[in-house]
Amino acid sequence: AQSVTQPDIHITVSEGASLELRCNYSYGATPYLFWYVQSPGQGLQLLLKYFSGDTLVQGIKGFEAEFKRSQSSFNLRKPSVHWSDAAEYFCAVDRTGGGNKLTFGTGTQLKVEL
Amino acid sequence: GAGVSQSPSNKVTEKGKDVELRCDPISGHTALYWYRQSLGQGLEFLIYFQGNSAPDKSGLPSDRFSAERTGGSVSTLTIQRTQQEDSAVYLCASRGISYEQYFGPGTRLTVT
Repeated sequence: AQSVTQPDIHITVSEGASLELRCNYSYGATPYLFWYVQSPGQGLQLLLKYFSGDTLVQGIKGFEAEFKRSQSSFNLRKPSVHWSDAAEYFCAVDRTGGGNKLTFGTGTQLKVEL
Repeated sequence: GAGVSQSPSNKVTEKGKDVELRCDPISGHTALYWYRQSLGQGLEFLIYFQGNSAPDKSGLPSDRFSAERTGGSVSTLTIQRTQQEDSAVYLCASRGISYEQYFGPGTRLTVT
């Protein structure tokens, strides 16, 4: 079935350490790709997006993501994590690339140890 | 500018009652989406509006769920005869001419 996979349900990192959150999709064509972050009791905040072009995209809060077509992946990275980055992170796909519905991964809960 | 707003922020209702959830999109955004977030099902798409029409309502889980949008702006999601499995956070998002969806804070619905 066509889907979005975030294989890590929980990740714990130390403050100042680097972070990589994985996302894979199984659609045939290259969809539009997004990462969102959700803090407790809050809605979803867009971190970054990929539509086409340069495969390394920069987002807010120091996050970046790299699209790898050969691996059908769109992994989120941050060189140095801050305690305030603790939240849940969702990868999302607009598989039609037409601004239609998003299909979300199951999310990765990030815990930051001080 | 103002983001997407939703009301109420929390709603507790008894099983069998009807509820209405409201979404005010970002001004000028023509596309509006409803999603549901629950522990068991994650984030699920419900319905998509372009203007006042709904070209994709494939995610509505049953005929107890309906939504409308008037004036190309405010949208209301109505759940009739609520069931306990309807308990979830209902999220609304809107989109302008680009392809990013911007989400509201959600309405937490609890059916007792």
